[in-house]
Amino acid sequence: DAMVIQNPRYQVTQFGKPVTLSCSQTLNHNVMYWYQQKSSQAPKLLFHYYDKDFNNEADTPDNFQSRRPNTSFCFLDIRSPGLGDAAMYLCATSSRDGYQGPQHFGDGTRLSIL
Amino acid sequence: GQQLNQSPQSMFIQEGEDVSMNCTSSSIFNTWLWYKQDPGEGPVLLIALYKAGELTSNGRLTAQFGITRKDSFLNISASIPSDVGIYFCAGQNPTDNDMRFGAGTRLTVKP
Repeated sequence: DAMVIQNPRYQVTQFGKPVTLSCSQTLNHNVMYWYQQKSSQAPKLLFHYYDKDFNNEADTPDNFQSRRPNTSFCFLDIRSPGLGDAAMYLCATSSRDGYQGPQHFGDGTRLSIL
Repeated sequence: GQQLNQSPQSMFIQEGEDVSMNCTSSSIFNTWLWYKQDPGEGPVLLIALYKAGELTSNGRLTAQFGITRKDSFLNISASIPSDVGIYFCAGQNPTDNDMRFGAGTRLTVKP
């Protein structure tokens, strides 16, 4: 089945130690999103790529960066994780070609900070 | 930013009961979406609505896109234990195509 795959499902890192989360998709969607979700809250959009164009949300900290080397893969880099960055990180994809299709989510990576 | 109000925040119901939840917005959307999220997993798309007044069903789930384009509701009929989870509404803003999420409705179903 076509899907959005996130690796790893669980990630533990140390305070201040850079970490990279990955997302791949077989849907051939041209838009990929990264969300942060804290317990019992709605997902919060960090940024998205529309093809190769990067779109950052105004309130996303500089500590969060992203890379999209090709259509299928997108990475979330956290340069110096703080305790407040412990959360579930969700990747989503959608198709946008004049018309915006619905977003499809991966199962997330739960990030813990020691 | 655009406000998206989802209610109720939580519901505790008996198996077999019907459930209704809704979302309202301070301005219009061109698409309404309903997602369900189980613990430790990502949100799964349940129903997508693209036209004002549209009523769409997916099994025991029915959702409607309000005529004013500022609201949507989701109904679940004859609830079962596996309906437990958090239901999120999401609206797509016609001016920027980004999605806005509601705060979620946590559903508990007692057998």
